[in-house]
Amino acid sequence: NAGVTQTPKFRILKIGQSMTLQCTQDMNHNYMYWYRQDPGMGLKLIYYSVGAGITDKGEVPNGYNVSRSTTEDFPLRLELAAPSQTSVYFCASSQDPNYGYTFGSGTRLTVV
Amino acid sequence: KQEVTQIPAALSVPEGENLVLNCSFTDSAIYNLQWFRQDPGKGLTSLLLIQSSQREQTSGRLNASLDKSSGRSTLYIAASQPGDSATYLCAVNKGAQKLVFGQGTRLTINP
Repeated sequence: NAGVTQTPKFRILKIGQSMTLQCTQDMNHNYMYWYRQDPGMGLKLIYYSVGAGITDKGEVPNGYNVSRSTTEDFPLRLELAAPSQTSVYFCASSQDPNYGYTFGSGTRLTVV
Repeated sequence: KQEVTQIPAALSVPEGENLVLNCSFTDSAIYNLQWFRQDPGKGLTSLLLIQSSQREQTSGRLNASLDKSSGRSTLYIAASQPGDSATYLCAVNKGAQKLVFGQGTRLTINP
């Protein structure tokens, strides 16, 4: 049972490039989330999904896009990378948010 | 707006000591509060989750308490070990998919 898997673990992008951060879970959870964590700070919600075909914005969605075509996958897309998007990105899933979340190991992204 | 604060930002103690990490939140209308552990370069590991109707939860050497009326939670670690060194994050669940995190407390246990 792999839980929540994120790829890649590390990535360096140049300003203006685009990329997709992958997230997949094998627990059949309906709820999935993308967070970013800046140095010395807590996590902030970028986007979330309550089920396949449904996505919604979180606290800091600007510069990002998501899709949820299957229950298992929730990719995060950066279209025009900016230095302000340098951060560690975490994907999480939950069967019921009232009973906790499972987090992936993160993607460390640097934009230069 | 819900704000979550963790004090201190960093804590260093000798091995074997009992210690308390603090978490405060500004809005008492929460569903639950969760404590996580984060090791350097790793993801978050859930330690304890306290529902809004509960006062405390225990797991091994860890005990978390919740006082909604005062907007406080504490994580008590008994008989600390070097392996407990990590960053500890608390997060408040306000419902509507909103999990609000504190900044974390970086804990170092010295052998």
